Formats: sequence, C-alpha cells, structure tokens
Amino acid sequence: DAGITQSPRHKVTETGTPVTLRCHQTENHRYMYWYRQDPGHGLRLIHYSYGVKDTDKGEVSDGYSVSRSKTEDFLLTLESATSSQTSVYFCAISESLVSEAFFGQGTRLTVV
Amino acid sequence: DAKTTQPPSMDCAEGRAANLPCNHSTISGNEYVYWYRQIHSQGPQYIIHGLKNNETNEMASLIITEDRKSSTLILPHATLRDTAVYYCIVRVHGSGGSNYKLTFGKGTLLTVNP
Repeated sequence: DAGITQSPRHKVTETGTPVTLRCHQTENHRYMYWYRQDPGHGLRLIHYSYGVKDTDKGEVSDGYSVSRSKTEDFLLTLESATSSQTSVYFCAISESLVSEAFFGQGTRLTVV
Repeated sequence: DAKTTQPPSMDCAEGRAANLPCNHSTISGNEYVYWYRQIHSQGPQYIIHGLKNNETNEMASLIITEDRKSSTLILPHATLRDTAVYYCIVRVHGSGGSNYKLTFGKGTLLTVNP
C-alpha cells in the first residue's frame, strides 16, 4: 500500500458530538481527497485539497469541514455528528493531475 | 466530467479472461479513461488508465475504441481474488480545482467463479 494512514479505523460516537478523522501520508503528494461510501450510493467526494491550505467542496460537503495545514495531513471534521453521517470514509492521495490516486483502508464511523 | 455506463454485474470463470465494458459516449478530447477496483471492505485500487491508445500493465489491458466512446478492461487470467467492483471513470486533465477529483459511479461487480 502507498503510505496512507487513516485514523481511527473504527469509531462509534453519539449524535451531536464533534468528530475528526485524520489522513496522514508519507508520499509528499499534493492532492488529497475525502470520500464517503454508503450502500446504494457508491463513493462520493466530500472535500478535496490541491495544496496546503487549498481546499474545496465535493458533491456531499454539507456538515463537513476540512483542514490541511501541512502536506502530509488532511483532517475531516464533523462539527456535530448526525446519524446520516454513519458511513465508511476513505482518504485518497495523488501526485499530479495525470497520476493515479491511492486510497487508504478506510474509517468506519457509526453515529448513534 | 463525462458520465460512464457499466453493466451492474458480470461473471467469469477462474482462469478465463474477464472483459469489462464501459460506455463513455460523451467523452471529450482531454478526458482520460481510468479503471479502479474495490475488493470488499478495502479502499479502491488503481488498475490502469489511458487516453486513446491501448494500454497494458501487469494487472490488465485497456482497449479504447478509435472513436473513444467506449472501452474494455481485460483481466487476462481472472482469479478468485479478482472478484471486486470495477469502476470506469473519465477524468479531465486540466487546470481548475474541480478537475482534480475522481467521480465514481456504481461500477460492475465482477464475480470470478471456481
């Protein structure tokens, strides 16, 4: 696997609590992405980053914020978790516009 | 990005070639065709990509029609471990933030049978 680490791998949290997921890379790739995957919906892009402090929204960004203060870390925050945010979250990285993306192993988040 | 159409599922016998089709009839000149797969509970894995020429690597071959409106991913000797959902994606290469993302559809569930 490419040098991508997602943490935590599993988390159960209560509705209304803040949650932060971390994606850490050792590849020095410029681009980083957060996706969520739900049955019947496939993979959907939440937010992405094209450089330090450069981020933008994906197709399902409501309820999520991100931060990238250094190249290796991309944080996804649920300010106030809801049950609809129960999902598997994947981080991905890519070196350039023409290169492939590498995905992490995923974080399974359950909001009760 | 242009949209793609893939069959929802396919079966293949172990040891035989698996040919996975993808239709991308609205593809434009600067869009590449990418293939990824996702084995159950794992993150997606890159397989191959191309623009207009056929491509081959250690995992698979990608055949793109001359008009670029469709492509076929070929796994030459499928094994049980190739059972996965296969995604065909078209992706613009250019400037602008929205061009950096990959848009995944529903993909094709390939089941390799013993």
